[in-house]
Amino acid sequence: RKEVEQDPGPFNVPEGATVAFNCTYSNSASQSFFWYRQDCRKEPKLLMSVYSSGNEDGRFTAQLNRASQYISLLIRDSKLSDSATYLCVAMDSNYQLIWGAGTKLIIKP
Amino acid sequence: GAVVSQHPSWVICKSGTSVKIECRSLDFQATTMFWYRQFPKQSLMLMATSNEGSKATYEQGVEKDKFLINHASLTLSTLTVTSAHPEDSSFYICSARGLRANTDTQYFGPGTRLTVL
Repeated sequence: RKEVEQDPGPFNVPEGATVAFNCTYSNSASQSFFWYRQDCRKEPKLLMSVYSSGNEDGRFTAQLNRASQYISLLIRDSKLSDSATYLCVAMDSNYQLIWGAGTKLIIKP
Repeated sequence: GAVVSQHPSWVICKSGTSVKIECRSLDFQATTMFWYRQFPKQSLMLMATSNEGSKATYEQGVEKDKFLINHASLTLSTLTVTSAHPEDSSFYICSARGLRANTDTQYFGPGTRLTVL
């Protein structure tokens, strides 16, 4: 079983719609969680950190559920520019990042 | 945010040659740098973790004699792919975590695309 699992997609979503991704992690000792965005052939860029209390940044909302060991990312009013691969990341106690394989999102006009 | 650069951004080389990739933290001191590799349509895979002034810690399955990592200063780490072969063709990305930057965040370089013919 992978340590961090994501649905690879692709999610094909019309512009303006709301889309949500989930990600599960197996290591209950994971300390911090992040969502990264990666465009094709580019490096990952930090989208947002995920806090226990939830985290909202504009159209993006991230939630953490430690009991069920999953994190989620919600994108409201999706834009064409949101098309990318979204990577779920857990950080272990040694500050090492454990990456999910990513969920591909395609926003269609 | 903190800035990390990588050089070169892409390289094409013949099989058997060695390739050096540089990773620099431009506006902070990176106590720890990470080297990742990403094959097409796959997740980033951590290759090794290097702390300034000490030997790198390699992940299982990564040959330390093939992928030489040097982290001689707080702003520079290098990855040398020795005797590169076509199967080493990949996207190599470094990231840095440091003194000034948020300790929970790794800042990524733009990556180096290596193609071995």
